[in-house]
Amino acid sequence: SQQGEEDPQALSIQEGENATMNCSYKTSINNLQWYRQNSGRGLVHLILIRSNEREKHSGRLRVTLDTSKKSSSLLITASRAADTASYFCATVSNSGYALNFGKGTSLLVTP
Amino acid sequence: DTAVSQTPKYLVTQMGNDKSIKCEQNLGHDTMYWYKQDSKKFLKIMFSYNNKELIINETVPNRFSPKSPDKAHLNLHINSLELGDSAVYFCASSPDSVNTEAFFGQGTRLTVV
Repeated sequence: SQQGEEDPQALSIQEGENATMNCSYKTSINNLQWYRQNSGRGLVHLILIRSNEREKHSGRLRVTLDTSKKSSSLLITASRAADTASYFCATVSNSGYALNFGKGTSLLVTP
Repeated sequence: DTAVSQTPKYLVTQMGNDKSIKCEQNLGHDTMYWYKQDSKKFLKIMFSYNNKELIINETVPNRFSPKSPDKAHLNLHINSLELGDSAVYFCASSPDSVNTEAFFGQGTRLTVV
């Protein structure tokens, strides 16, 4: 069953601005992952945050996790045109052998 | 070297045909997956294999048959293709379960006409 639900569905910003995407999920998790998908390409793993972590950073990326609200956010600071892509959150299924993806946020960064 | 490679990248075929998509990973991972991404970009797990054994089959029609000849390969064979099978199919792998990151192939865009 689908776990993650991202919002907004689409986001358009200018270079230099910050982009925030949110993800909500339904059941308990071990970890939550964020992936990026450039147009016509495969998904690329960005960051994994474990259920006992509240915040994690990787370069210009900042991910938060609130297990009480079953939500996560991905913040991209000082965005660049190259950040234009779709961003997906994913949680691990009960079997532990599949990722359940949300519908994604389509981010457009204009120069 | 490409970590997860799948071929072909594009596949256009007529209804009723049988086709295969191949996937290979050179990461030494134990687990491989097939995902289907529809026109709205929604990704859904189809199959999950761990050490050549089927772990997950997510209500996929039995026209779809995965084959894992060894740990590094997971091929997808589709019989009697239907229009609704048109989508992008992604192969992926992870070290064991997906409690760590998964690595995805570039996708195969299947168009059934």
